Amino acid sequence: GQQVMQIPQYQHVQEGEDFTTYCNSSTTLSNIQWYKQRPGGHPVFLIQLVKSGEVKKQKRLTFQFGEAKKNSSLHITATQTTDVGTYFCAGPSSGSARQLTFGSGTQLTVLP
Amino acid sequence: DSGVTQTPKHLITATGQRVTLRCSPRSGDLSVYWYQQSLDQGLQFLIQYYNGEERAKGNILERFSAQQFPDLHSELNLSSLELGDSALYFCASSVGIRDVTDTQYFGPGTRLTVL
Repeated sequence: GQQVMQIPQYQHVQEGEDFTTYCNSSTTLSNIQWYKQRPGGHPVFLIQLVKSGEVKKQKRLTFQFGEAKKNSSLHITATQTTDVGTYFCAGPSSGSARQLTFGSGTQLTVLP
Repeated sequence: DSGVTQTPKHLITATGQRVTLRCSPRSGDLSVYWYQQSLDQGLQFLIQYYNGEERAKGNILERFSAQQFPDLHSELNLSSLELGDSALYFCASSVGIRDVTDTQYFGPGTRLTVL
């Protein structure tokens, strides 16, 4: 079945450093969504990408969808302690377009 | 606050028991999704309901069942509980018009501990 892999699994950065997490799918995705889960919290939707090669920005966050629509990335510039959490990508499952397959997530720790 | 409510927040029970988790979607949302998140694990999709009917099924065990009621709230029933069922259970809701292209709004979750 479809797999959505995320790397790295864990990332520790010093406050002010940049951070990137990568998401790779074994199949082509019609769209990809990104969610953030703060420690002890619930996943919160960040953004959805639909077009091949699409790049979207939210303040210090830059999201990119690959040309082949099989990979995506999230880049945070100049991390802050408020960026702490686990970032998940999610794409439609190949077997059933009605469910999302979530990546394993990247847990970001920002050291002050 | 996502607008999705889940009760209870915490549940501690013993192996072999049965529990019911409850979820109320955001006002206007017709789709409800259930996810399981084990320690250090990602989100495993269990099941989706749309306007009272089952719409998609994931890796849901036969010991687990769910339903969505006419008022659109949903319940997840977990029976013959095992230690491995200890996890966070999230409910999410969406408008439900276009399924996976919809944003999913997650509730605060129910933490289940099976002793």
